[in-house]
Amino acid sequence: ETGVTQSPTHLIKTRGQQVTLRCSSQSGHNTVSWYQQALGQGPQFIFQYYREEENGRGNFPPRFSGLQFPNYSSELNVNALELDDSALYLCASSPGGSQSTGELFFGEGSRLTVL
Amino acid sequence: DAKTTQPNSMESNEEEPVHLPCNHSTISGTDYIHWYRQLPSQGPEYVIHGLTSNVNNRMASLAIAEDRKSSTLILHRATLRDAAVYYCILKSTGNQFYFGTGTSLTVIP
Repeated sequence: ETGVTQSPTHLIKTRGQQVTLRCSSQSGHNTVSWYQQALGQGPQFIFQYYREEENGRGNFPPRFSGLQFPNYSSELNVNALELDDSALYLCASSPGGSQSTGELFFGEGSRLTVL
Repeated sequence: DAKTTQPNSMESNEEEPVHLPCNHSTISGTDYIHWYRQLPSQGPEYVIHGLTSNVNNRMASLAIAEDRKSSTLILHRATLRDAAVYYCILKSTGNQFYFGTGTSLTVIP
């Protein structure tokens, strides 16, 4: 069973650029959520996708957007990058629906640095 | 967003039990209490969760107060590999988890 994988692991962008982060969910999981973790802080919920539809969003501006594909993999896109967007971006998958035990399975994250 | 309060840091000697407290006075009747931990340079890892009754698994035990306004994660014998940040989280409907800043656990050999 393959776990949650994220790419790239590290990247550097400059202010104003756009970035796309990718996540492959664990086999059999149809729900993916994204979190932003600033240094020294706990992860902050960005949004969640269930069967290709966004079904929950945290307190993040519209320049944070996402997609989920038919194979349940997902992308997080951030436009007009700001310095404060520098963080570890975590993807988590779960079975969702009636099979959900409430447990999230996290990837190791993508470390974004904005200069 | 449901809030939890945890001490910023705690220390424990190796092979001794550790009790990690969490206050969640605004918990609602349908909120589950979840605990995750995050080792350095890794994503968070599920530890345990419960609703009303105490819970045990191979990693830890979860003791939930009768009024559900607080809970305690119990590691029965701390090892060096248990050094991590432990997050107590209230999960409402859906799969949206709201993390606080957690408790950084140091295990002393």
